[in-house]
Amino acid sequence: NAGVTQTPKFRILKIGQSMTLQCTQDMNHNYMYWYRQDPGMGLKLIYYSVGAGITDKGEVPNGYNVSRSTTEDFPLRLELAAPSQTSVYFCASSWGTAYNEQFFGPGTRLTVL
Amino acid sequence: QKEVEQNSGPLSVPEGAIASLNCTYSDRGSQSFFWYRQYSGKSPELIMFIYSNGDKEDGRFTAQLNKASQYVSLLIRDSQPSDSATYLCAVYDFGGATNKLIFGTGTLLAVQP
Repeated sequence: NAGVTQTPKFRILKIGQSMTLQCTQDMNHNYMYWYRQDPGMGLKLIYYSVGAGITDKGEVPNGYNVSRSTTEDFPLRLELAAPSQTSVYFCASSWGTAYNEQFFGPGTRLTVL
Repeated sequence: QKEVEQNSGPLSVPEGAIASLNCTYSDRGSQSFFWYRQYSGKSPELIMFIYSNGDKEDGRFTAQLNKASQYVSLLIRDSQPSDSATYLCAVYDFGGATNKLIFGTGTLLAVQP
């Protein structure tokens, strides 16, 4: 099992550009999450999904969009990139919620200049 | 705003010593608690999960939970240089519009050979 995979690993965007961060898991998990981690800070939840076709906002959703057309894939879309979106983005998945481990992907380091 | 507080460190301990990492949380109703380890430039990985008051041991790691005092701690016995990492405390938030993990900012542990 590859677990949770993310692409790309690194990306530099110019202000106003758009991009999609890809996330795929092969563990048949229903729950998937997108977090961002700023230097010296904890992880902040951007969006999450409880199953294919169902998504919901987390703590910091502004400037992002998601979709969940399959169990395996949970892409994160950045529209009109801003310097404030410079961060490391982690995708995660889990079997359930409160009493289940979240498995994290390797992360995407995004810089917006 | 529910919070999870950790001392950012660095916490420096000699090799072979016991490292003690602490975390406090604001929501008295919290039920499940996680410790993740994050090496520099890598993604978080689960070390311990606890939901009952008292101690839970797994190898060199012991998680301690005191719900009355609203703190959870992680003890690492016989600390090794390979334990040097940031340790993230996370608490599951059942309340509000979004059920989610709330992460602390992490404690940086440095084990000196």
